[in-house]
Amino acid sequence: GAGVSQSPRYKVTKRGQDVALRCDPISGHVSLYWYRQALGQGPEFLTYFNYEAQQDKSGLPNDRFSAERPEGSISTLTIQRTEQRDSAMYRCASRTGGTDTQYFGPGTRLTVL
Amino acid sequence: AQSVAQPEDQVNVAEGNPLTVKCTYSVSGNPYLFWYVQYPNRGLQFLLKYITGDNLVKGSYGFEAEFNKSQTSFHLKKPSALVSDSALYFCAVRDITSGGSYIPTFGRGTSLIVHP
Repeated sequence: GAGVSQSPRYKVTKRGQDVALRCDPISGHVSLYWYRQALGQGPEFLTYFNYEAQQDKSGLPNDRFSAERPEGSISTLTIQRTEQRDSAMYRCASRTGGTDTQYFGPGTRLTVL
Repeated sequence: AQSVAQPEDQVNVAEGNPLTVKCTYSVSGNPYLFWYVQYPNRGLQFLLKYITGDNLVKGSYGFEAEFNKSQTSFHLKKPSALVSDSALYFCAVRDITSGGSYIPTFGRGTSLIVHP
């Protein structure tokens, strides 16, 4: 596609429910990153993939958070048993090999009631 | 370890005047430095980056940034601000000794407001 897309753009859920956030990177981009951005803060790294392999998940806050990229393209970030503190903007970015420049999607605004 | 600081939450400037958005960094090795801009309801857009070479980097929309190693700074500048430049600006750093992960650390952002 022309850019990184994310869906849904907005998600409101009740505490305790599971949510799945989707990221579709720029076609051909090797690397895919997930970030969380609280209001008034910059993006905070969660995890990243090269192709289908999860290279680093050190930023995931706890084991309720998981991510996958099974075919090396679309990725899903799943949050189980959501809590109010999970409310934030979740951003995805992709990058082609050999360059640092990341291209960001519009984000998914998650609100946990 | 790598970190970046944006000391100003908000910068106000009149249209037509020069603007500066400040950024300082800390790395163990040598830095790669970036500026991104975020418009309302949009994702972060890449503006410019410093990897190596000339300390003055030119980017999109007339923006430029100057790498200053002695002051560990990478301030974003534009000679003449436009109202349309009003947005949230993020500085980011990556320590090149961090290997192939390409994981940057972002600042908390500076809101630029350009008044007509």
